[in-house]
Amino acid sequence: DIVMTQSPDSLPVSLGERATINCKSSQSVLHGSNKRNYLVWYQQKPGQPPKLLIYWASTRESGVPDRFSGSGSGTDFTLTISSLQAEDVAVYYCQQYYSTPLTFGGGTRVEIK
Amino acid sequence: QVQLVQSGAEVKKPGSSVKVSCKASGGTFSNYAITWVRQAPGQGLEWMGVIFPILHTANYAQKFQGRVTITADGSMSTAYMELSSLRYEDTAVYYCARTCPLGEEYGWFDPWGQGTLVTVSS
Repeated sequence: DIVMTQSPDSLPVSLGERATINCKSSQSVLHGSNKRNYLVWYQQKPGQPPKLLIYWASTRESGVPDRFSGSGSGTDFTLTISSLQAEDVAVYYCQQYYSTPLTFGGGTRVEIK
Repeated sequence: QVQLVQSGAEVKKPGSSVKVSCKASGGTFSNYAITWVRQAPGQGLEWMGVIFPILHTANYAQKFQGRVTITADGSMSTAYMELSSLRYEDTAVYYCARTCPLGEEYGWFDPWGQGTLVTVSS
């Protein structure tokens, strides 16, 4: 199984400041044939299901604010919120879809400092 | 815009089974795979398995093999997840989600159902 490790567990950030969340996979999720990274990011607010933010590691879902961006390749990935807004307080998860079982990171809780 | 609506909360005794439904509306059902993910209270997300309604083929996480059955009824645009031999640690919110991209069995999930809380209690 591919183990997804997120850091930090908790991230206090001031409003308007940058938030950076890391996700590391135990093996590469870069597909050799299409050069795509099989990595997705979700946002989950209390009492709600996860919401898709970014797929293929860096493709922003339609309607997601452009302050959210994804980067990285192979085994190391980053979700960046360029200027934190109050509505961004949530838990963020990465997930790999390179191989089964599909696996998620443990989550990073973003809060207002 | 497709929406997934799940059945209501359940309380079950240890050793029993639960069946959760997931009805799709507003979009094409059979051409997308439907995935089931669970989330224990205060915990992270766990992939359970997936079904391709048009093919009626399901694949499961090894952890749940033998205990989970995922089915689909295309005429009703509804998928089902049945978990048997329930244990206290199966207490969780169970989510269905459409798998993207179109036609793929494994991928990212969007949208998600609202979740169904299954509580296992004696």
